[in-house]
Amino acid sequence: DGGITQSPKYLFRKEGQNVTLSCEQNLNHDAMYWYRQDPGQGLRLIYYSQIVNDFQKGDIAEGYSVSREKKESFPLTVTSAQKNPTAFYLCASSPLMNTEAFFGQGTRLTVV
Amino acid sequence: EDKVVQSPLSLVVHEGDTVTLNCSYEVTNFRSLLWYKQEKKAPTFLFMLTSSGIEKKSGRLSSILDKKELSSILNITATQTGDSAIYLCAVAGGRGGATNKLIFGTGTLLAVQP
Repeated sequence: DGGITQSPKYLFRKEGQNVTLSCEQNLNHDAMYWYRQDPGQGLRLIYYSQIVNDFQKGDIAEGYSVSREKKESFPLTVTSAQKNPTAFYLCASSPLMNTEAFFGQGTRLTVV
Repeated sequence: EDKVVQSPLSLVVHEGDTVTLNCSYEVTNFRSLLWYKQEKKAPTFLFMLTSSGIEKKSGRLSSILDKKELSSILNITATQTGDSAIYLCAVAGGRGGATNKLIFGTGTLLAVQP
C-alpha cells in the first residue's frame, strides 16, 4: 500500500541524548515536511525539503537537524540542544509544494 | 510575521446541529488554503481552495474562500458524533525564499454530543 510511515510511534529520550525519528514514503512525492504539535499550538513547521539533497528551515528549526539523501526518506534528529523536545512529531509529504500534504501517524517523543 | 488564526478554539454541539468554523490568515505570497481533520493522530485532507468564492463540497462538509477578507469558513451540516475532531486550517505561502510552506492554525476542537 502507498503511504507515509513514521517510526517509532513512541520514543523516550534521556536528557542530553540525540534521537532520530524516521519518516519514509512510497508515494513518489518530491516534497517532505516535519511538524511539531503541542497542545493548543497547532502544527509548527520544523524543516521541509522540496528535492533530494536540499532542505530548508521552518519556523522552529533550532535544536533539530534533517537529511534528504533519498527521495523516500526524510529523517529528523532531535539534538540535545532542543530544550523542550517533548511533543508529537508529524511527518508529511506532497507531490509538489503547496499541494495536498499526506501525513504519517506521528511519533510521540517524551524526555525522561 | 505570517499567521493563520482559527476560531472558535473549541466548540460543543449536539448531533444534528450545523457548525461553522472560521479561518483567517495574514500570509505573504498566498497560494492556497487547505482544511484537514485530525481525529487521533494523522490529519486527513478535506479541501484545498485556491480561488475566491468557489465552494468546495463533500457530503455534509463545505468550504468557501474569501480572498478579499483573507478568510475561509468550513461548514458541517447535520453533525454526527463521528465529526468530533480537531479541524486544522493551513495556508500555503510565505515570505522571502520560503514561499512554499504550509502554515497551520491552532485548530478548532469540535465535540459532537449524542
